[in-house]
Amino acid sequence: AAGVIQSPRHLIKEKRETATLKCYPIPRHDTVYWYQQGPGQDPQFLISFYEKMQSDKGSIPDRFSAQQFSDYHSELNMSSLELGDSALYFCASSLEDGKQNPWDEQFFGPGTRLTVL
Amino acid sequence: GQQLNQSPQSMFIQEGEDVSMNCTSSSIFNTWLWYKQDPGEGPVLLIALYKAGELTSNGRLTAQFGITRKDSFLNISASIPSDVGIYFCAGQLNYGGSQGNLIFGKGTKLSVKP
Repeated sequence: AAGVIQSPRHLIKEKRETATLKCYPIPRHDTVYWYQQGPGQDPQFLISFYEKMQSDKGSIPDRFSAQQFSDYHSELNMSSLELGDSALYFCASSLEDGKQNPWDEQFFGPGTRLTVL
Repeated sequence: GQQLNQSPQSMFIQEGEDVSMNCTSSSIFNTWLWYKQDPGEGPVLLIALYKAGELTSNGRLTAQFGITRKDSFLNISASIPSDVGIYFCAGQLNYGGSQGNLIFGKGTKLSVKP
């Protein structure tokens, strides 16, 4: 079965550079979530989109922005990178299927490992 | 904000033993999910729980949604070496403007002695 695709898998940047991470959800999934996971930490929610509209916002720095496109893929744009931005960035997708709990099952991608030097 | 207390933080067990881990919260969640994460990989969904009191199994895994909606446990029976990894509980709220982002516990690192 098709899974969530993230690219690139690894990214090395210098401080103050910009980075763009891409996420391709599972086919027919309309909701995308971004999470950041630092070393030895649990994933922290950054931002989510439903039907191309931002649906919720977590601990996302102002230096970061994201959007969801008409084909439901999403991009996380990161500017003025700092050493502390080094982390695994996960995208997860789910389908709003009209059940009582429509956003229950989030499926995660393999992640993008960002290293800021 | 909401926090999940997951325990134990880590455990070493003998192959074939049963494993139990749990999560508690001061807040109510609509849904509890359990994920397993291998190093450098994304979390993989193991079990999703939707109703208070619900008991669900997935092979050797069994999880329950606490009746108060503030806790959940995960049991692994007859552990095998490939069970090694980090297990995360995650709570989810669906209400108003929230579209179901997950709040994760700190994880339980499972190591199995061969």
